[in-house]
Amino acid sequence: AQSVTQLGSHVSVSEGALVLLRCNYSSSVPPYLFWYVQYPNQGLQLLLKYTSAATLVKGINGFEAEFKKSETSFHLTKPSAHMSDAAEYFCAVDNQGGKLIFGQGTELSVKP
Amino acid sequence: DGGITQSPKYLFRKEGQNVTLSCEQNLNHDAMYWYRQDPGQGLRLIYYSQIVNDFQKGDIAEGYSVSREKKESFPLTVTSAQKNPTAFYLCASSISRGSTQETQYFGPGTRLLVL
Repeated sequence: AQSVTQLGSHVSVSEGALVLLRCNYSSSVPPYLFWYVQYPNQGLQLLLKYTSAATLVKGINGFEAEFKKSETSFHLTKPSAHMSDAAEYFCAVDNQGGKLIFGQGTELSVKP
Repeated sequence: DGGITQSPKYLFRKEGQNVTLSCEQNLNHDAMYWYRQDPGQGLRLIYYSQIVNDFQKGDIAEGYSVSREKKESFPLTVTSAQKNPTAFYLCASSISRGSTQETQYFGPGTRLLVL
């Protein structure tokens, strides 16, 4: 069965520091991977998605993620955190014809 | 503006009561979904619909029901059989289902609380 694991339910960084949110997946077939962001009491917004065209995927708000098949990982990074990046981030995999499997989420806090 | 609307933003349910959450989209998407979000558990699929007058159970369908009479609308009813309904409910849509890599677009959510 496909699954997604996000390492760390809470991550705290200082403003201007590197953001690294970890996502590992398990899949028996090539996966399609997504990162979504959720601000408090709001819906999810797509940050980026991997669809096998390129292993390094650039998204909105300066985020990017790299697909590493050998490590079954799709970690999300941003070189310099901004206060407005504070939110919850979800990694998801889709390899069953449109069914998304979500990770548990990682809450990102940004300290001034 | 195209998008997904959910109403109400907050909903209170009494014991033994059925309540209905609204989801409307004007994106002309064929597929629609309902998810339940609980703290620390990510999102879990309740029901989905690929086309009008057709819908399928997701992973946690017990205690819920849906209908899809119009392409734009996919209401979710939380029945009295759902013993732990307190959660944040998210509706989503995509151009189609059955095709991988389709992006799902989400509404703003409805928070359901039990009195």
